[in-house]
Amino acid sequence: EAAVTQSPRSKVAVTGGKVTLSCHQTNNHDYMYWYRQDTGHGLRLIHYSYVADSTEKGDIPDGYKASRPSQENFSLILELASLSQTAVYFCASSEGNNNQAPLFGEGTRLSVL
Amino acid sequence: QQQVRQSPQSLTVWEGETAILNCSYEDSTFNYFPWYQQFPGEGPALLISIRSVSDKKEDGRFTIFFNKREKKLSLHITDSQPGDSATYFCAASTGYQNFYFGKGTSLTVIP
Repeated sequence: EAAVTQSPRSKVAVTGGKVTLSCHQTNNHDYMYWYRQDTGHGLRLIHYSYVADSTEKGDIPDGYKASRPSQENFSLILELASLSQTAVYFCASSEGNNNQAPLFGEGTRLSVL
Repeated sequence: QQQVRQSPQSLTVWEGETAILNCSYEDSTFNYFPWYQQFPGEGPALLISIRSVSDKKEDGRFTIFFNKREKKLSLHITDSQPGDSATYFCAASTGYQNFYFGKGTSLTVIP
């Protein structure tokens, strides 16, 4: 069954540390996304990618980097984690044509202390 | 600027009633509107979607009504069940792969 798998499912990080969140999809989709969810803010787009080895900035990219080494894998990197980056992060994928809605993973709960 | 707005923030209905969730948007170029259902601890799951060329989309107990002129949509859940208790997100896209999400409506269905 096609899916979007995120790892880890939860993580506690220290302020100033480096955090890498990983995402793997078996949907054979071209587009992949990283969203952030905060209570009262809904989902906000951080970075996305439509092809391997290329990433694009979303609406809130500051403090985040992304990496797309292959069609299946998309990582979100926090080089210097901060308290304000405590949130739930969702990876998603879509076909990228004709307005196909993204399909989401189960999320990574990140707590920065 | 909030591109997509949802109301109410929370809604409680009795089992069997119709729940109505509202969504409005700013950008008139948005042409695709998916709705997601999210249970606690899970990712959002695509529930139903509509394109701007249509004014209604039905899937079982879930129906989207779309008013392009007023830039408004609503999701109607008929015969609401306790298992429908979740947060519902409205999203909008121009077709360039950036989907804008509302802040969600938390629905509680009382048995």
